[in-house]
Amino acid sequence: DIQMTQSPSSLSASVGDRVTITCRASQSISTYLNWYQQKPGKAPKLLIYAASSLQSGVPSRFSGGGTGTDFTLTISSLQPEDFATYYCQQSHSLPRSFGGGTKVELK
Amino acid sequence: EVQLVQSGAEVKKPGESLKISCKVSGYTFSNYWIGWVRQMPGKGPEWMGIIYPGDSDTRYSPSFQGQVTFSADKSINTAYLQWNSLQASDTAMYYCARQGVTQQPFDYWGQGTLVTVSS
Repeated sequence: DIQMTQSPSSLSASVGDRVTITCRASQSISTYLNWYQQKPGKAPKLLIYAASSLQSGVPSRFSGGGTGTDFTLTISSLQPEDFATYYCQQSHSLPRSFGGGTKVELK
Repeated sequence: EVQLVQSGAEVKKPGESLKISCKVSGYTFSNYWIGWVRQMPGKGPEWMGIIYPGDSDTRYSPSFQGQVTFSADKSINTAYLQWNSLQASDTAMYYCARQGVTQQPFDYWGQGTLVTVSS
């Protein structure tokens, strides 16, 4: 099974900050990497798929990059509604594992 | 509009059986995979597996193989997740989600079904 490791597990930031979250796969997954946002009491929401493709309706301040084993999710200017937990997920191989999450909190 | 609507919260005792549902609308049920995701309290999502309603092709995570059963009823556009004998460790939120063709992400999610198993 492919293991997905996110870092950091949490971070504190202010509105307007640029935030970058990383996700590392235990083996190469090409660009089969997705990013989700989850707010308390809600289902995860797809933000980015295929490493860098923005899901319809997602603000352009979200961007993704990487290939192989190392990936990033960047929020260019953090907004109040972006405080949430973010998860990466690989869709290269079964089972389609998720990362452990990164909680973005208000500084 | 694509929608996945899950059945309501359940409280069960250890050893009991349970079947929860995920009713979809707004797209052709048979043409997309439906996935199931477990989220234990305070933890991240865990991929349980997927089912293709068109032919009931099913792929389970090894962690859940033999512990749960997926099914789908095309006549009523509904997918199911079933347990034959619940354990306290099954207490979690369970989500269904839609997946496109192979290696696509989960693009639409249900609202979740909270399952509580307690004696």
